[in-house]
Amino acid sequence: GESVGLHLPTLSVQEGDNSIINCAYSNSASDYFIWYKQESGKGPQFIIDIRSNMDKRQGQRVTVLLNKTVKHLSLQIAATQPGDSAVYFCAENPNNAGNMLTFGGGTRLMVKP
Amino acid sequence: ETGVTQSPTHLIKTRGQQVTLRCSSQSGHNTVSWYQQALGQGPQFIFQYYREEENGRGNFPPRFSGLQFPNYSSELNVNALELDDSALYLCASSFANREEQFFGPGTRLTVL
Repeated sequence: GESVGLHLPTLSVQEGDNSIINCAYSNSASDYFIWYKQESGKGPQFIIDIRSNMDKRQGQRVTVLLNKTVKHLSLQIAATQPGDSAVYFCAENPNNAGNMLTFGGGTRLMVKP
Repeated sequence: ETGVTQSPTHLIKTRGQQVTLRCSSQSGHNTVSWYQQALGQGPQFIFQYYREEENGRGNFPPRFSGLQFPNYSSELNVNALELDDSALYLCASSFANREEQFFGPGTRLTVL
């Protein structure tokens, strides 16, 4: 498959450890944020979202934290597995209407067995 | 799998040519968005279609155009291809007024 993210920042973690991926967003008016996972040769896959009236949201093995003061978003993955290896993108909705997303640059997560 | 399909999977064109990429939305979704993803970068929003009308556009020139059909499938057309148009083109479908978008696998366009 094709390679996504040849020049992206890389986070390397041991299988079973927790992973934290960070993202800075640009528009203080954005009120909706999403994390996507993209594996090689595939389109982005929705992981978890959060609205600006929340600071934290939990899913299955994933947690998203939102700090609006510094416009920072993070994705925490618990007990990281080899299947979590992928490129992770944060995205924001800067228009507060419709579904037009602005994506960040992405982080490659590599899980060592 | 999201239920969003795109064709073709890969395409090679030369500068100056025109290309049409196709997308079939997930069942029941009436909004389609197109994104361009250059190698090593995040997707960039091209435009969105809702009920066959363009409903927003990113910073792309007019030679990028689109269509949405009554069955909500969509086309992306690019005229006068340039080398920098080489990228993965993604479409995403959603319900109007709901932000969660479901992406297709993309079409890899190479312009020589």
